[in-house]
Amino acid sequence: KNEVEQSPQNLTAQEGEFITINCSYSVGISALHWLQQHPGGGIVSLFMLSSGKKKHGRLIATINIQEKHSSLHITASHPRDSAVYICAVRSHGGSQGNLIFGKGTKLSVKP
Amino acid sequence: KAGVTQTPRYLIKTRGQQVTLSCSPISGHRSVSWYQQTPGQGLQFLFEYFSETQRNKGNFPGRFSGRQFSNSRSEMNVSTLELGDSALYLCASSPGTRASYEQYFGPGTRLTVT
Repeated sequence: KNEVEQSPQNLTAQEGEFITINCSYSVGISALHWLQQHPGGGIVSLFMLSSGKKKHGRLIATINIQEKHSSLHITASHPRDSAVYICAVRSHGGSQGNLIFGKGTKLSVKP
Repeated sequence: KAGVTQTPRYLIKTRGQQVTLSCSPISGHRSVSWYQQTPGQGLQFLFEYFSETQRNKGNFPGRFSGRQFSNSRSEMNVSTLELGDSALYLCASSPGTRASYEQYFGPGTRLTVT
């Protein structure tokens, strides 16, 4: 079993829909990252969380440490949100770059 | 500030050859991490450097090595290339090792081994 599981693997939405991507992990963590990867490979860090909730524009990320679960929400989705979203965790005692990654969720937003 | 740069962006090598990839971090950043991304395994941690010292290494064979220079630029080397080494190699930099620091990713080097 992977230490970081994401769901769904693939997601197709209509423009304007509210989207949720889930991430569950099995290890104790010191931080959780949400990353966005567009075709071509470049990765952008969206959020880094260790507790609670963060919001940036139309994106919201939450984490429940007790339940070992995080969600990424996109409100009023747009075709430019189409990308692969990757959850990554840094385990307790792990160095900053030593991340464990989920397999990613491929999001396609149709106009 | 300029972002993280990686060179070359694309590379084709033959089995058995060796390859060196380069990563220049954001100015002022002293920590560099390397990752491998393949369709089968996804993203996996390779190594992390801070102030020219390797802080951590992922579960990869000894054919994979790296180093960091005094200007924080980093290189990774893969010797005796195998077909399975075909991947996107990404590096990321951050100001230091503090847990609160974010990581900034480069565009990646796409390596094809034939």
